[in-house]
Amino acid sequence: DIQMTQSPSSLSASVGDRVTITCRASQSISSYLNWYQHKPGKAPKLLLYAASSLQSGVPSRFSGGGSGTDFTLTISSLQPEDFATYYCQQTSSTPQTFGQGTKVEIK
Amino acid sequence: EVQLVESGGGLVQPGGSLRLSCAASGFTFSSYSMNWVRQAPGKGLEWVSYISGSGNSKYYADSVKGRFTISRDNAKNSLYLQMNSLRDEDTAVYYCARPYYESSGYYPWGQGTLVTVSS
Repeated sequence: DIQMTQSPSSLSASVGDRVTITCRASQSISSYLNWYQHKPGKAPKLLLYAASSLQSGVPSRFSGGGSGTDFTLTISSLQPEDFATYYCQQTSSTPQTFGQGTKVEIK
Repeated sequence: EVQLVESGGGLVQPGGSLRLSCAASGFTFSSYSMNWVRQAPGKGLEWVSYISGSGNSKYYADSVKGRFTISRDNAKNSLYLQMNSLRDEDTAVYYCARPYYESSGYYPWGQGTLVTVSS
């Protein structure tokens, strides 16, 4: 199974800050990497798929990059509605594993 | 509108069984594989099971293999998860989710249904 490791596990940031979350796969997954935003009581929301493709309706302040084993999610200017937990997921092979999550909190 | 709606969650004793359903609408259900994903209290997202569009291919997480069975009825646009021999650690919100396109991220997701395993 492919293991997905996110860092950091949590971070505190202020509105307007640039935030970067990293995700590392235990083996190459090409660009089969997705990012989700998850808020309590809601379904996870797909932000980016294929490492860098922005899902329709997602603000352009979210961007993604990387290929192979190392990936990043960047929020260029953190907004109040962005405080949530973020997960990466690989869909290169089954089981389609998730990272452990990164909780973005208000500083 | 593309939509998924889960049902069937509830309180069950350890060792018991439960069947979750996921009703799909707004897309050609048989053209898409489907997945179940869960989130235990205070934990992250865990992929649980996959079924191909035809229903011929099925995969399971090691944590549920041999206890859970995924199935689908394309005529009824419905996905199911039969959960047997339930354990305390199966307590979670269960989501059904469709890939945006095959091997891509999941969109949409259902709203989730809570399964509580407790005596």
